[in-house]
Amino acid sequence: DAKTTQPPSMDCAEGRAANLPCNHSTISGNEYVYWYRQIHSQGPQYIIHGLKNNETNEMASLIITEDRKSSTLILPHATLRDTAVYYCIVRVGQGAQKLVFGQGTRLTINP
Amino acid sequence: GAVVSQHPSWVICKSGTSVKIECRSLDFQATTMFWYRQFPKQSLMLMATSNEGSKATYEQGVEKDKFLINHASLTLSTLTVTSAHPEDSSFYICSGRALAGLGETQYFGPGTRLLVL
Repeated sequence: DAKTTQPPSMDCAEGRAANLPCNHSTISGNEYVYWYRQIHSQGPQYIIHGLKNNETNEMASLIITEDRKSSTLILPHATLRDTAVYYCIVRVGQGAQKLVFGQGTRLTINP
Repeated sequence: GAVVSQHPSWVICKSGTSVKIECRSLDFQATTMFWYRQFPKQSLMLMATSNEGSKATYEQGVEKDKFLINHASLTLSTLTVTSAHPEDSSFYICSGRALAGLGETQYFGPGTRLLVL
């Protein structure tokens, strides 16, 4: 699975959009981009995933560049409850493929 | 999203005893379940992958005789930490891979915090 690079930490003001970048320059054509987050002392929570098209759900939007070498997770109106570690993971979408967690980005939402 | 539960949520045990942790997929069938371990201020580390009805596949460096995994049904997997020692104290998290309809997504349990005295 391709390696990802994320900034170790970010801050965002409550109510503003939080944009979390992720670089995955060695991603293969059949690898998806997954985003999870982990709130302190809890299990990871699935947020969104995509292959090449931008995706949106009730939690977030995922913007993938045309060359697929990077992506951005957007939380449109961040709240204090969005404070967590966010993990960007790339892996083959089909089959029982394991998720390999990096260090993620620690996002702090400030009042 | 799909729901995965773990029991117990936390456990304290004496050194040398064995501890069993249950992982259940509540509203979907999980053909594959994964067990992770997380130490303080570190990321999740995969311990093993288990498929229903077959033996688990362990990651390098994880002792299969110490961490016994049983995946007897499509909704239940158990992790038994045998002869636990203080260095086994950690946060153990399981995840289940949904069969179909939910895509190839893993859903995680809330975790079990183990403290070995």
